[in-house]
Amino acid sequence: NAGVTQTPKFRILKIGQSMTLQCTQDMNHNYMYWYRQDPGMGLKLIYYSVGAGITDKGEVPNGYNVSRSTTEDFPLRLELAAPSQTSVYFCATDTSYNSPLHFGNGTRLTVT
Amino acid sequence: DQQVKQNSPSLSVQEGRISILNCDYTNSMFDYFLWYKKYPAEGPTFLISISSIKDKNEDGRFTVFLNKSAKHLSLHIVPSQPGDSAVYFCAASTAETSGSRLTFGEGTQLTVNP
Repeated sequence: NAGVTQTPKFRILKIGQSMTLQCTQDMNHNYMYWYRQDPGMGLKLIYYSVGAGITDKGEVPNGYNVSRSTTEDFPLRLELAAPSQTSVYFCATDTSYNSPLHFGNGTRLTVT
Repeated sequence: DQQVKQNSPSLSVQEGRISILNCDYTNSMFDYFLWYKKYPAEGPTFLISISSIKDKNEDGRFTVFLNKSAKHLSLHIVPSQPGDSAVYFCAASTAETSGSRLTFGEGTQLTVNP
């Protein structure tokens, strides 16, 4: 049982490049989330989805896009990478409000 | 606007002693609070939670206390073990949000010395 799988684990991007961070879950959870964690800071919500076909912005959505075509997958897209997007990105899932989040192991992204 | 704040970036305790991690919040609409533990190169894992209708929740060595009037919660670990060394995040949510749109604190690095 893999849980929440994120790929890649590490990536270095040049300014202006684009990439997609992948997140896949095998727990059949409806809710999925993308958080970013900057050094010395807590996790901040970028986007979330309450089910296939439904997404909404979190606290820090600028510079990112998401899609949710299936229950299992919730990719995060960076179109024009900027140094401010250097961070560790975590995907998470849960079944409903107030159920504990299940996190992936993160993607460490550096933009130079 | 940091609505959930952990004022101690780090805490060091001896094995067998009590660890107390603190968290303050400003949003009175928060009604559910959680603690997550994070090891290096891994995602956070859920540790313990408490609803605003309670003032204490216990799970083995871990106890969370909630003081709503002070907007303060704390996590007690007794006895502390070296394997507890990790970053601990406090998080909160409101009934108005769908799913677990959590607001996290900055984290506290706990080091338990043998």
